[in-house]
Amino acid sequence: EAQVTQNPRYLITVTGKKLTVTCSQNMNHEYMSWYRQDPGLGLRQIYYSMNVEVTDKGDVPEGYKVSRKEKRNFPLILESPSPNQTSLYFCASSDRRNTEAFFGQGTRLTVV
Amino acid sequence: GESVGLHLPTLSVQEGDNSIINCAYSNSASDYFIWYKQESGKGPQFIIDIRSNMDKRQGQRVTVLLNKTVKHLSLQIAATQPGDSAVYFCAEWVGGGGNKLTFGTGTQLKVEL
Repeated sequence: EAQVTQNPRYLITVTGKKLTVTCSQNMNHEYMSWYRQDPGLGLRQIYYSMNVEVTDKGDVPEGYKVSRKEKRNFPLILESPSPNQTSLYFCASSDRRNTEAFFGQGTRLTVV
Repeated sequence: GESVGLHLPTLSVQEGDNSIINCAYSNSASDYFIWYKQESGKGPQFIIDIRSNMDKRQGQRVTVLLNKTVKHLSLQIAATQPGDSAVYFCAEWVGGGGNKLTFGTGTQLKVEL
């Protein structure tokens, strides 16, 4: 089954404690991206990757890092989480730009 | 800056009626648009897409209309069912070499029995 898998689904952490949210897709897609979703603000892109070792900033990259060492994985790293990073995060992948993007089930992160 | 927005945050319809969800976009270089449905607790799911060389595209119970003159996109859902209750987003790939899939803020569709 074609899917995008994120882990964990829920996470509560404390300010400053480094965390990683994993994302994996099994569709051999080149393009992957991370979004955060906040009430009234819709989905905002954090980072995207056009292919292995190619990443670039989206609209709200501050406080986040990503890596793309393998085609299927695109982890989101929060080196020093802060409460304003409390949000619902989605990973997405697509074969290339200008095509349908598939989304994971989301990771609800709470930073206290 | 470029933006994709929605006219109404909430739309309530009676079961069996047709629903129309609207979306305005500002990037005239965009060449591909997608409608997504997001149910509570789930990730966005693809509904239908349309490329800029088309005015209309139909799927099962859904139709997307694209008016490039006024930069307007709409999603029509025929015979709306309770299972259609969700938040609907329009999204665009920013053209001209852009690599972002940009979303509007969403419309909550509520289907009343």
